[in-house]
Amino acid sequence: QVQLVQSGPEMKKPGASVRVSCKASHYTFTNYGITWVRQAPGQGLEWMGWVSTYSANTNFAQKYQDRLTMTTDTSTSTAYMELRSLRSDDTAVYYCARVLGRKNFFDYWGQGTLVTVSS
Amino acid sequence: DIQMTQAPSTLSASVGDRVTITCRASQNIGGLLAWYQQKPRNAPKLLIFDASSLESGVPSRFSGSGSGTEFTLTISSLQPDDFATYYCQQYESYWTFGQGTKVDIK
Repeated sequence: QVQLVQSGPEMKKPGASVRVSCKASHYTFTNYGITWVRQAPGQGLEWMGWVSTYSANTNFAQKYQDRLTMTTDTSTSTAYMELRSLRSDDTAVYYCARVLGRKNFFDYWGQGTLVTVSS
Repeated sequence: DIQMTQAPSTLSASVGDRVTITCRASQNIGGLLAWYQQKPRNAPKLLIFDASSLESGVPSRFSGSGSGTEFTLTISSLQPDDFATYYCQQYESYWTFGQGTKVDIK
């Protein structure tokens, strides 16, 4: 059974950075990309960006272009999302999900990681 | 950017009801649309892809239709497990979600 297991909750101060991991198992990691979606408290789903596990190419939503990094480690089948210059409105649950590639849907999701930004 | 608009935002229904949720894209996305179900404190779950294809393991009471800019998700007979929030998503140009439709108990 495909699994995406994310790292635990994080509490950060404004201006700090956070890195969330997403470890994949039970499928060939480099055959699928990893995408990241966030959900603020009581709000809907927001796509943040996508990384190709094959080429390491990335595409980010415009609003995150200057403070988001997505990487992968194919030796451990793990994807990472780093968000910098955190603000209080970055408080959200961050999800990773598997995607076959561009023009494809998200078929498996991680359990989510709560990131709280507070002074 | 492609915008996705769902209606209604909230829907009150009873067990056994037929429920329909609509999703409109700001431009033609062909059939590149998915529907997800999300329950509180859980990750979204894929229900429908390519507008009308049922994901493996999803009950047949769920169905999707539409193409171009207008899409619908129908639950033929609402079950207790179906009270949740539903999101549409386009994947024609990157990815965008609708704002969600919460289905609650009437």
